[in-house]
Amino acid sequence: QSVLTQPPSVSGAPGQRVTISCTGSSSNIGAGYDVHWYQQLPGTAPKLLIYGNNNRPSGVPDRFSGSKSGTSASLAITGLQAEDEADYYCQSYDSSLSGRRVFGGGTKLTVL
Amino acid sequence: QVQLVQSGAEVKKPGASVKVSCKASGYTLTSYGISWVRQAPGQGLEWMGWISVYNGNTNYAQKLQGRVTMTTDTSTSTAYMELRSLRSDDTAVYYCAREDDYGAFDIWGQGTMVTVSS
Repeated sequence: QSVLTQPPSVSGAPGQRVTISCTGSSSNIGAGYDVHWYQQLPGTAPKLLIYGNNNRPSGVPDRFSGSKSGTSASLAITGLQAEDEADYYCQSYDSSLSGRRVFGGGTKLTVL
Repeated sequence: QVQLVQSGAEVKKPGASVKVSCKASGYTLTSYGISWVRQAPGQGLEWMGWISVYNGNTNYAQKLQGRVTMTTDTSTSTAYMELRSLRSDDTAVYYCAREDDYGAFDIWGQGTMVTVSS
């Protein structure tokens, strides 16, 4: 059971917009800690996609965006492409776990 | 080019220990912390712990306390993660990751497969 809750799967057709939610609590996202998002393609290491809730590292397309409100965060992907098919993870910090970093359980994005 | 390069795959018997290395290049190791993350086959990411390369402070996941030790050797720009008393459910890909000022893991190693089997 992950501290941050994500839907196991989402899907969308090419060109569509999808969102992936990440629900936490008052000891992590709700406490004001930043949320970060990672994309993991099959057989590869995770890649940082969004940091500090809504910032994109250099090289990440602006089709990817992040937001945060209350105890939840979301990753939005617009103009869906076949290459976006991957696992996506949110990550934050939890004050109830003595400074431990926490991940969501991950969401498998399928491009139909 | 900023990168983290990890040691190769390991096969261990239950009860043994494993030590994985993570060599940094392209940046000053002491300027960032290093976290270790593992991923069991078909499962999600699990944070294992963090080490401050600057002063050696560590912070381990509760479930691994007492079995894991993270260290660094600044002379070789290498971080290490040792896991003891291995069990079959420790079978996973182990990643090292650089932690930036936001607390995000901005650079990842390629991963090291550790298989625990009798």
